[in-house]
Amino acid sequence: GNSVTQMEGPVTLSEEAFLTINCTYTATGYPSLFWYVQYPGEGLQLLLKATKADDKGSNKGFEATYRKETTSFHLEKGSVQVSDSAVYFCALSIISNFGNEKLTFGTGTRLTIIP
Amino acid sequence: ETGVTQSPTHLIKTRGQQVTLRCSSQSGHNTVSWYQQALGQGPQFIFQYYREEENGRGNFPPRFSGLQFPNYSSELNVNALELDDSALYLCASSLTRVEDRATDTQYFGPGTRLTVL
Repeated sequence: GNSVTQMEGPVTLSEEAFLTINCTYTATGYPSLFWYVQYPGEGLQLLLKATKADDKGSNKGFEATYRKETTSFHLEKGSVQVSDSAVYFCALSIISNFGNEKLTFGTGTRLTIIP
Repeated sequence: ETGVTQSPTHLIKTRGQQVTLRCSSQSGHNTVSWYQQALGQGPQFIFQYYREEENGRGNFPPRFSGLQFPNYSSELNVNALELDDSALYLCASSLTRVEDRATDTQYFGPGTRLTVL
């Protein structure tokens, strides 16, 4: 079946540090890949996405590149801020045999940025 | 453009009771998906509704049921509540293309926090 494996947390960094959160996936077919972010007490917000191999998604200084050869979609940011503290979820979406698309999520990585 | 809204925000029930959660989809969207997020876990797919019919279901028992209305809003019903049903329930809306059934990006509401005592 389809699955997503994320870097275990929690991750604690100082402000302005470089961030990488690893994500690899297993899927039959060609999934779309997503990063969602969840701030304390809130629902999920789409951070970025990529729909085909070698696509780069980017938003708010975050980037991730769809690497088909390594089945990866690692999240990066060059200089993190305290406001980036949240839980980050990697997810994939693929059309099932029933014709629907559902999101399959990783377990999430909690990121804390220290001033 | 109105985003995805959910009600209520919080809910406390006792074991064996029934609960109904509501979701209003984003304007222009025709598909609603429901997810259960247990504490410290990633969301798990419960089911999806497209054009008022169930369009795929995850590994959840039949006591989890749903509806989608002509305006594309949706309800999630859970019967015979169990302690393990305590979770954040997330609704996501999206647009499914009629010609190939491909679904565009899913946008999430803020969730309903259900506590079962």
